[in-house]
Amino acid sequence: EVQLVESGGGVVRPGGSLRISCAASGFTFGAYAMSWVRQAPGKGLEWVSAINRNGGYTAYADSVKGRFTISRDNAKNSLYLQMNSLRDEDTALYYCARAHISTDYGEGFDPWGQGTLVTVSS
Amino acid sequence: EIVMTQTPLSLSVTPGQPASISCKSSQSLLHSDGKTYLYWYLQKPGQPPQLLIYEVSNRFSGVADRFSGSGSGTDFTLRISRVEAEDVGVYYCMQSMRLPKTFGPGTKVDIK
Repeated sequence: EVQLVESGGGVVRPGGSLRISCAASGFTFGAYAMSWVRQAPGKGLEWVSAINRNGGYTAYADSVKGRFTISRDNAKNSLYLQMNSLRDEDTALYYCARAHISTDYGEGFDPWGQGTLVTVSS
Repeated sequence: EIVMTQTPLSLSVTPGQPASISCKSSQSLLHSDGKTYLYWYLQKPGQPPQLLIYEVSNRFSGVADRFSGSGSGTDFTLRISRVEAEDVGVYYCMQSMRLPKTFGPGTKVDIK
């Protein structure tokens, strides 16, 4: 069964840092691009960051550029998001999502994990 | 950034009746490779989103055939031929033509 399990969320003060992780199983992790997508409480979906299959290319939403870093360890079947200089507006459920097909461009997302909640509050 | 809009933002449907959601993009989603990178997702209450339709009109694996997608360029439509109780939730369109990937605001569907 293809599965994505996020972890590492929690409460952090504004200006603080947090690293969240996503453990993948049930598929060849290194064959798929991966993304983080977030959802603020009661709001819609916002793409945050993506990384290609070998980790050599990364992309970020303007709202997190320079503060967040996406990375992956294909040997450990894991995806990470290092979040620095956190702001109130970063409070959200962070989903790990796999590309729906093994491709270099234009992919959708499936499956998604259940999400890990990051709360930025003083 | 490509802006995605959806109408309506909410929809109440009688079981067994059809439903339709419109999605428009601020730029064409037709790539030079001939593909159009428009996706539809359903987020059921308390669950992560699930992929329904990829590249405008292709049903993803396991998706019921009452779901269909159509459109081209900047105008797209998701249709449910006969709504069932399990179809309640929020439907999102998403473009993957250009970074950042962007989602529509969502259309909340409930049952009358």
